[in-house]
This record gives sequence, C-alpha cells and structure tokens, in this order.
Amino acid sequence: DTGVSQDPRHKITKRGQNVTFRCDPISEHNRLYWYRQTLGQGPEFLTYFQNEAQLEKSRLLSDRFSAERPKGSFSTLEIQRTEQGDSAMYLCASSLGSTETQYFGPGTRLLVL
Amino acid sequence: EDQVTQSPEALRLQEGESSSLNCSYTVSGLRGLFWYRQDPGKGPEFLFTLYSAGEEKEKERLKATLTKKESFLHITAPKPEDSATYLCAVRAGGGNKLTFGTGTQLKVEL
Repeated sequence: DTGVSQDPRHKITKRGQNVTFRCDPISEHNRLYWYRQTLGQGPEFLTYFQNEAQLEKSRLLSDRFSAERPKGSFSTLEIQRTEQGDSAMYLCASSLGSTETQYFGPGTRLLVL
Repeated sequence: EDQVTQSPEALRLQEGESSSLNCSYTVSGLRGLFWYRQDPGKGPEFLFTLYSAGEEKEKERLKATLTKKESFLHITAPKPEDSATYLCAVRAGGGNKLTFGTGTQLKVEL
C-alpha cells in the first residue's frame, strides 16, 4: 500500500511533555498538509509544505507547535509543553500539485493527561 | 472567511431508504468542493471533487452535485456499510488549505 502513513497511531503523554509525530506522504506528492480534528468537528488546517518550504501556517499553530519537512519527503510535527487542549487527532495529507486532491493518512490520536 | 455548513448533523436510514446530505458554503472564489467519508478512528477517505455549478459525479450508490451555493450528496438504496461520517470541504481563493464542515453522521440500519 502506498498511501499516506503516520506514526505513531496513538500517543498518551503528560501535560508539559514534548511530543513529535511523523508523516510519510504518497511518494512523488510534493505538497504535504497537517490538520487537527477534535471530536465532532471537521479537520482544521494547521500548515502546509510545498517540497521543503513551509508556505502557510494557521493562526491555530501557536509558538509551541513546529513542523518541518527537511528533504521534501517526510514531515514531522512537534508540540512542546503539551496542554490538555492539545488532545486531538492530528491528520496529515498529501497532494500532487496545488489543484490535486488531498489524500489523508490514518491520523495520530494524541491524549494529554 | 470561508464557511461550510452541513446538514443534518446526524441521519438514520433504513437499508434501501434513499436520502440526501447537504453542504452549503460561503467562499470567495471557489476552487473546488470535496466530499470525504470518515470511519470512526480513521482518516478521511476521498470520494469526489466538484469544480463548477452543474457538475455531477457518481460512484456506486453515491452521487454528488454542485450549485453556486451548495452541494448535495445523494445516497441511493444505502447499505449498512455506508454508515460513516460524510465530510464536505472547500478550497477557495488563493490558498491551498481545505475548510471543512462538521460532517453528517450517517447510520444505515437493516
């Protein structure tokens, strides 16, 4: 299967700890997106990359959040000093070009205790 | 700011009972309207993209249509395996992000 993959699938952490998630897009997809989804809501955009360049960030992405895509392939999303409000499903998507469909991965479910 | 509203929030159907889900949107310069299906605990699965009013797309028991203000997802003779949350999203203006609605949770019973 060559779909979008995310790791880990589940993460439980204590408030104040740092966590890092990884996303591997569909090969050859040059655009990569991060979204956050809470229970009963649709996904909310966080940030997106074209190749290795981070071109857009949402106001939702506070200073505690940082994302990278160092070689234009996989991406990481780090949350520093986690808070209970960070508990959510973090979704990664990729697309080929700006007009193509975004395909989503299975998500990483984060629970902050 | 782009807005997407889906209705109803939840829908319960008997197997074979056709119905429609609604997605109304307010955007500046629509560049695509997307329908996704999401099963519990999983990521959204792509269904359709619509670009202009009057466009229609079909896949098995699903048919998506688009007007200048809303989109409908018609489900014909649904089966229990069609039970899921259906999400509508738009891409608009010069950006690349998708703006999602809150979804319609569909349950199809025997």
